[in-house]
Amino acid sequence: EAGVAQSPRYKIIEKRQSVAFWCNPISGHATLYWYQQILGQGPKLLIQFQNNGVVDDSQLPKDRFSAERLKGVDSTLKIQPAKLEDSAVYLCASSSTPTGTGSPLHFGNGTRLTVT
Amino acid sequence: AQSVSQHNHHVILSEAASLELGCNYSYGGTVNLFWYVQYPGQHLQLLLKYFSGDPLVKGIKGFEAEFIKSKFSFNLRKPSVQWSDTAEYFCAVTYTGGGNKLTFGTGTQLKVEL
Repeated sequence: EAGVAQSPRYKIIEKRQSVAFWCNPISGHATLYWYQQILGQGPKLLIQFQNNGVVDDSQLPKDRFSAERLKGVDSTLKIQPAKLEDSAVYLCASSSTPTGTGSPLHFGNGTRLTVT
Repeated sequence: AQSVSQHNHHVILSEAASLELGCNYSYGGTVNLFWYVQYPGQHLQLLLKYFSGDPLVKGIKGFEAEFIKSKFSFNLRKPSVQWSDTAEYFCAVTYTGGGNKLTFGTGTQLKVEL
């Protein structure tokens, strides 16, 4: 099966600029996640979608981050305006059902964002 | 807040040495436990998972992990490592009542030398 697709792979922007990341999950996977992985840390969940509805966005900095999954398939994550501390790898993952039910997460290769 | 601790940040081993990576979590209720691995240049992938039953779980590539509830631990082991096991290893946990949110540890970078 095709894996989780993410683009772009790398992005360099200046602080206060905006940026968007795109994710296409594995076909048929209802649950989609965006994680932020700062260098030297483990991935941190930003937002979880079940189909096109938000299940958990408690750790999403909503003053500057937004995400959508309008048709319940692919998703975009946007940062506006970016700060230096947003430099990280942004990982998209999907699963057929929510993690706690036993389905493993399938991760994409991530987008490495550098904010200068 | 619930957390996951991985005490070994960097581990260097010679081929054929035995491996044990520590993982502890801070939650007294029911948990589901995972180990993920990220090989150089590749995406994170599941190594093994524990949901219930036998606390000794076997995963891919000869890895296993043991859930010890009394110690809040889920250590990863492999009797004899290979150079191809060089990777970063992440322990992760979901908590009952935690909305199925996967909480990751900070990771352990393993380097296996020939």
